[in-house]
Amino acid sequence: GENVEQHPSTLSVQEGDSAVIKCTYSDSASNYFPWYKQELGKRPQLIIDIRSNVGEKKDQRIAVTLNKTAKHFSLHITETQPEDSAVYFCAASKWNTGFQKLVFGTGTRLLVSP
Amino acid sequence: DTEVTQTPKHLVMGMTNKKSLKCEQHMGHRAMYWYKQKAKKPPELMFVYSYEKLSINESVPSRFSPECPNSSLLNLHLHALQPEDSALYLCASSSGPRVDQSYEQYFGPGTRLTVT
Repeated sequence: GENVEQHPSTLSVQEGDSAVIKCTYSDSASNYFPWYKQELGKRPQLIIDIRSNVGEKKDQRIAVTLNKTAKHFSLHITETQPEDSAVYFCAASKWNTGFQKLVFGTGTRLLVSP
Repeated sequence: DTEVTQTPKHLVMGMTNKKSLKCEQHMGHRAMYWYKQKAKKPPELMFVYSYEKLSINESVPSRFSPECPNSSLLNLHLHALQPEDSALYLCASSSGPRVDQSYEQYFGPGTRLTVT
């Protein structure tokens, strides 16, 4: 089955710096790669996602890149703000008939200091 | 309405109790999911329902029993749980996989379960 590795496990940056989180996946059939942000005691919330037919996607300060050949994808956050502090999970999935099975990475705790 | 709701928010139960967790969505999604999340860990898939049929059971112990009464509702029946079952239980739903549809899984706020 699919296996997703995520690094680093913790990341501390100064406000205004950039943050990069990297994930690798094992199943070449995976075709959907979402990133979730989870604040303490809250639900995971999708911040950006990318499908396997796209190499890069950007939404304001957040971008995701996908390298299908190497089977890795990365989250880039620019101009970080204290409110970006949270745990970030990458995930990989492929669609079965009518549903998807998301496999999550182990998470990265991002701390943005003012 | 892009919301998944879950009740109760918190639940404390003894090992001999029977309780149920409830999840509801009105987005017309036909896939619904139960996840278990322990502290400082990622969500771990337990069950998937697709078109009200159980499609995945990730070798979950029988003390957890899922039910999908209709396309909007998902229940998780709990019986004879162990203290190690204490966790945040998350429900999610999704549509797709049509090209013109979002692939997003929408998560509910979760039920914080404590087994004493």
